[in-house]
Amino acid sequence: AQSVTQPDIHITVSEGASLELRCNYSYGATPYLFWYVQSPGQGLQLLLKYFSGDTLVQGIKGFEAEFKRSQSSFNLRKPSVHWSDAAEYFCAVGASNDYKLSFGAGTTVTVRA
Amino acid sequence: SAVISQKPSRDICQRGTSLTIQCQVDSQVTMMFWYRQQPGQSLTLIATANQGSEATYESGFVIDKFPISRPNLTFSTLTVSNMSPEDSSIYLCSVEERGYTFGSGTRLTVV
Repeated sequence: AQSVTQPDIHITVSEGASLELRCNYSYGATPYLFWYVQSPGQGLQLLLKYFSGDTLVQGIKGFEAEFKRSQSSFNLRKPSVHWSDAAEYFCAVGASNDYKLSFGAGTTVTVRA
Repeated sequence: SAVISQKPSRDICQRGTSLTIQCQVDSQVTMMFWYRQQPGQSLTLIATANQGSEATYESGFVIDKFPISRPNLTFSTLTVSNMSPEDSSIYLCSVEERGYTFGSGTRLTVV
C-alpha cells in the first residue's frame, strides 16, 4: 500500500520569500501525486496533481511541484509567498489500480510580515 | 472539475444522537469517498460508496457506526450514529474526476 511522509510539521516563512514543502512517498509503481491546501475552517482545495508526463507540474496560486522518481519525492514550491498562503498543506498519493488516497500528516505554513 | 455541495457545514450535537451529512455533486460520478479529519490530524478514509452497492469500509470503521447511502450517481449521505465526544471531527466527502475534489466539510462537535 502507498504511504506519504511530510517531514516538516511547521514552517514559518517571511512574506515575499520562497517556500518549499517536502513530500516523500512510498509506492512500488508510478504514483498519482497531489498537493492540497486547507485554510482554517475550510475544506481541501487541490493545488496541483501529477499523473504522468512532465515531471514539473504547475498549479494554482503560483505553486509548482516536481516529481523525482529517484528520490521518491514530490516537493511543492512557491517563489514568493503571500500572507494568504498561510494554511495547512497536505500531500497525498494514489495509485492507478486503487482509488484510495493516502495523505501525509500535513505541514502548517505560517507567513510573517 | 466537479463541484460538491456538502451540508451541514457545522453542527453541535448531543452525545448519543445521530447526524446525517449530505453530499451533492453537480455531475454523475462512479465513486464517492468519505473522510474523517480529527482535530489537528490528517485525513483518514472512512469508506468508499458506489451507487447500487454497499459501501466498502476501511479498517476501524463499521457500518453500524457510519451507515452510508448512495441512492444515485450524484448524491450520498454519511450518518454518524450514537455519537460520543470522540466523534468530534471534520467529515469530508470526495469524488474522483481527473483528480480528487473535496467538499467543504462538516465540522462536527459532540458535547
